[in-house]
Amino acid sequence: AQSVAQPEDQVNVAEGNPLTVKCTYSVSGNPYLFWYVQYPNRGLQFLLKYITGDNLVKGSYGFEAEFNKSQTSFHLKKPSALVSDSALYFCAVRENTGTASKLTFGTGTRLQVTL
Amino acid sequence: GAGVSQSPSNKVTEKGKDVELRCDPISGHTALYWYRQSLGQGLEFLIYFQGNSAPDKSGLPSDRFSAERTGGSVSTLTIQRTQQEDSAVYLCASSSRPGYYNEQFFGPGTRLTVL
Repeated sequence: AQSVAQPEDQVNVAEGNPLTVKCTYSVSGNPYLFWYVQYPNRGLQFLLKYITGDNLVKGSYGFEAEFNKSQTSFHLKKPSALVSDSALYFCAVRENTGTASKLTFGTGTRLQVTL
Repeated sequence: GAGVSQSPSNKVTEKGKDVELRCDPISGHTALYWYRQSLGQGLEFLIYFQGNSAPDKSGLPSDRFSAERTGGSVSTLTIQRTQQEDSAVYLCASSSRPGYYNEQFFGPGTRLTVL
């Protein structure tokens, strides 16, 4: 069975500082990994995904994530946080079996960026 | 272009009543998903439709929940004899084929409150 863990319920960062939102996963085979962001009273928006290839994936709004197979991690990062980045962030995984299509989401990490 | 739309945006019902939630996916998307997001929790997978294949119903929490997708487009999630624990935000998402590595596009959700 596939699973995702987001160990931090909340991350607090000052604007201009780098941010990291952690995610670890568990699948039987190779993973497809996704990050989504949810702003208040909005649906989820896709940020970036790892399918194959370069371990460093760049996505929307200046976010990037690094796939680390040995540590089974896919942490979300941004070099310089903005107050407008404050939102709920979800990591998700799908096992690459060619047939499985269910995404398993983490419980979410609330990012709070302050001035 | 138009994104995923859901209706109603809010639904308040009394315990024991039936409710229907509607999802209009992005035109041309063959995969459609329903998730439930409860307060303080992550996204819980409910059901997945892909083209004309039999739906993956493995996430439906009880036989009070059912969903259909007519003509490969619009989907309706029905909850019969609603209970207070059904209160949550119900999210719909769609993706293009092949669904397993493409990102999902989410609607704004329907907030269901069962009194």
